[in-house]
Amino acid sequence: GENVEQHPSTLSVQEGDSAVIKCTYSDSASNYFPWYKQELGKRPQLIIDIRSNVGEKKDQRIAVTLNKTAKHFSLHITETQPEDSAVYFCAASPKTSYDKVIFGPGTSLSVIP
Amino acid sequence: NAGVMQNPRHLVRRRGQEARLRCSPMKGHSHVYWYRQLPEEGLKFMVYLQKENIIDESGMPKERFSAEFPKEGPSILRIQQVVRGDSAAYFCASSPGLGGNTEAFFGQGTRLTVV
Repeated sequence: GENVEQHPSTLSVQEGDSAVIKCTYSDSASNYFPWYKQELGKRPQLIIDIRSNVGEKKDQRIAVTLNKTAKHFSLHITETQPEDSAVYFCAASPKTSYDKVIFGPGTSLSVIP
Repeated sequence: NAGVMQNPRHLVRRRGQEARLRCSPMKGHSHVYWYRQLPEEGLKFMVYLQKENIIDESGMPKERFSAEFPKEGPSILRIQQVVRGDSAAYFCASSPGLGGNTEAFFGQGTRLTVV
């Protein structure tokens, strides 16, 4: 089955700096890669996703890149703000599993004002 | 649309008791997924259900855990004879199941504490 790894496990950045989180996956059949943000005590919420037919996607200060050959994908947050502080999870899903996703272990991001 | 509704939000059980967690998917969603999140850990897939069918239970512990999604009513995750190690947040997500991977929306979770 799919296995998703994620690095780093914790990340501290100064407000205004960029943050990068990297993930790798094992199942070459995976073709959908969502990223979720989870604030303390709250539900995971989708912030951006990417499918295997594109290599990069951007939404304001957030961008994701995907390298299918190497089986890794990354989240980039630019101009970080204190409200970006949360745990971020990458995930992967093969098309055949509908919307079941396998999550990475998470990255705790702290943005220091 | 009320979103994915889970209840109760918090549940306390003594060791050996049963825990029943409920999840009502978003209107129009026919696919339900349960995930478990241990304290300060990631989300672990447990089970994927459609109405009256378990599609994938590869993440479910072999004993004491069961799940159902009846034709009428919410999906239920049932944990029998709970132990301290069952203490976790249990999240339910739902999706329309249209294929091609769409966003799965999460509920607020049920935080189970076993004392």
